[in-house]
Amino acid sequence: AQRVTQPEKLLSVFKGAPVELKCNYSYSGSPELFWYVQYSRQRLQLLLRHISRESIKGFTADLNKGETSFHLKKPFAQEEDSAMYYCALKSPGGFKTIFGAGTRLFVKA
Amino acid sequence: GAGVSQSPSNKVTEKGKDVELRCDPISGHTALYWYRQSLGQGLEFLIYFQGNSAPDKSGLPSDRFSAERTGGSVSTLTIQRTQQEDSAVYLCASSLTGTSGYEQYFGPGTRLTVT
Repeated sequence: AQRVTQPEKLLSVFKGAPVELKCNYSYSGSPELFWYVQYSRQRLQLLLRHISRESIKGFTADLNKGETSFHLKKPFAQEEDSAMYYCALKSPGGFKTIFGAGTRLFVKA
Repeated sequence: GAGVSQSPSNKVTEKGKDVELRCDPISGHTALYWYRQSLGQGLEFLIYFQGNSAPDKSGLPSDRFSAERTGGSVSTLTIQRTQQEDSAVYLCASSLTGTSGYEQYFGPGTRLTVT
């Protein structure tokens, strides 16, 4: 069965510290993976997708098929990064998107 | 242009009553999704519409839940005989199509509270 696991419900780091939000998935094949972010009082929005291999707001995520992981990383966290982050999986060519339970990131001054 | 809109933004209802939640997708988007966001549960897929095709209802939790999409645009999610466990934020999203590479744009959600 397709599943997305985000083991940390809450992650608290100091400003300027590195941050890694973990995401593991269960899928037989090569899925499409995404990170979505929801800032306080804002809508859920796409942060990045693995097929684009992009860096958005300093965040990167690498798909590790061997470990079935898609961890989100940023070398120096900023206070404005505080938000709820969701990892999501989609079948290539499909439409149904499976979301993880989310990790709340809190960046302290 | 305008994003995805949802109404009402908040709804408080008594247990056993029916509720209707509305979603207006972005103009031109053929794919529309409904999700339920519960505390600590993440986003739960409910239903998906793509153009004029039959919707995928595989995520609907019970037969009390139904949804329709009229004219390939506005969608209504109906919950009959609401229960307290239905309390959640219901999110709607749309995308250009439902296939690969197209970002989902989310609405602000409807917070449903069943008392």
